[in-house]
Formats: sequence, structure tokens, C-alpha cells
Amino acid sequence: DAGVTQSPTHLIKTRGQQVTLRCSPKSGHDTVSWYQQALGQGPQFIFQYYEEEERQRGNFPDRFSGHQFPNYSSELNVNALLLGDSALYLCASSPGGSSNQPQHFGDGTRLSIL
Amino acid sequence: QKEVEQNSGPLSVPEGAIASLNCTYSDRGSQSFFWYRQYSGKSPELIMSIYSNGDKEDGRFTAQLNKASQYVSLLIRDSQPSDSATYLCAVSLYGGSQGNLIFGKGTKLSVKP
Repeated sequence: DAGVTQSPTHLIKTRGQQVTLRCSPKSGHDTVSWYQQALGQGPQFIFQYYEEEERQRGNFPDRFSGHQFPNYSSELNVNALLLGDSALYLCASSPGGSSNQPQHFGDGTRLSIL
Repeated sequence: QKEVEQNSGPLSVPEGAIASLNCTYSDRGSQSFFWYRQYSGKSPELIMSIYSNGDKEDGRFTAQLNKASQYVSLLIRDSQPSDSATYLCAVSLYGGSQGNLIFGKGTKLSVKP
């Protein structure tokens, strides 16, 4: 049973570029959340997708956008990259609705901005 | 601003001892509480979830929740060197599946052989 899978594992970009990160949720999960983790910090919530719609959004600028597909996979897009966007980007999946089930994380994508 | 506070450590304990990790949260309406373990360079791994006041035990791990004091703790009995990692406390206003998790900065635990 595959867990949460993310791609790519590592990515190097330059300032001003755009990036797309991908996530496939764990089998049976239909809710996908994205987090940004800077070095030495806890993960910060970016947004959550459920039923192909953004259900909740954290305090991130609209340079950060996302999408969820009918198969529940998701993409995180970041435009006009800044040096401060360098971080580990984590995708977490969970069963949707009003489930009390916890979120499970993928291995993350480490994004470096030069 | 909803906050989760943890002592950043490092917390150093000898092998076989009990490690005690603590977390406080600011929003009294919080409903779900989680402990994640994160090894260096890796992603967070769920260890425990707790939703009601009291203790919850799973193997060597015990989570304790006191909503009146807005306090969550994690006890690790018979600590092993493999337990050395950063432990993240996470809190949600909703059931665990919905909405965002608010994380603390984590406590770094070092278990010395």
C-alpha cells in the first residue's frame, strides 16, 4: 500500500522562476494539504484541497496556488520565486469529510532558490 | 495568532531513561493533538494522536492531554538511541483530517548510549 508520494525529491530554481510540485495521496485518502518547512522551523500550513476545491488557506501570498485532480492528486505552484521560498515542501493526505483521522506526510520536495 | 510552543532543546537523556516532551497551545477551541517525529532531512512521521483529556498509551509512547491547562505531553519510556530526532507537536481546531495543523518548532531529543 503506497503512502503519500511527492515529486520531485529535490529542485533548484533561480529567483523569479516558477515551480510545480506534485503529490499523490495515500490510497483511500481524498484530502491533500500542503506545508512549507523552513530550516529549524515547524511546518507552516499553505492550503488544503478537498473535492477539487481549496477548503482552507494559510497565510501565504497568492504566488502560491494549487490544484486537485479528480484522482485526488494535487499540485502546488509557486510563481515569481524568492530566496525565502527555499524550504522543504510537504504534502499530507487524510480521509476527507469530517473524519478524525490524522494527516500523513510524504517525503517532501526540497526546493532551493539561487 | 494561534500558537503552539515547545522547548527547542536539545533534550538529552541516557539510554533506557524516560524522555518527557512538553507542548502548550494558545487556542482553547483546539480539538485534535498530534505528535510527529522527524529525523534530520526526513519528513514528519506520526507517532501519536489524542483527542480527549487523559493519557493514551501506544507501546513505549504515552501522550497526555490537559485541555484546561492547554497542555500536551509525550513520554517515551526506555529511550533508545534510535529515538534521537526532533519531535513536533501539532494542534488542530478540527478533526485531524480537516483544516490546518499548527505546529510547534519542535524539540530535539538526543538519547545517549
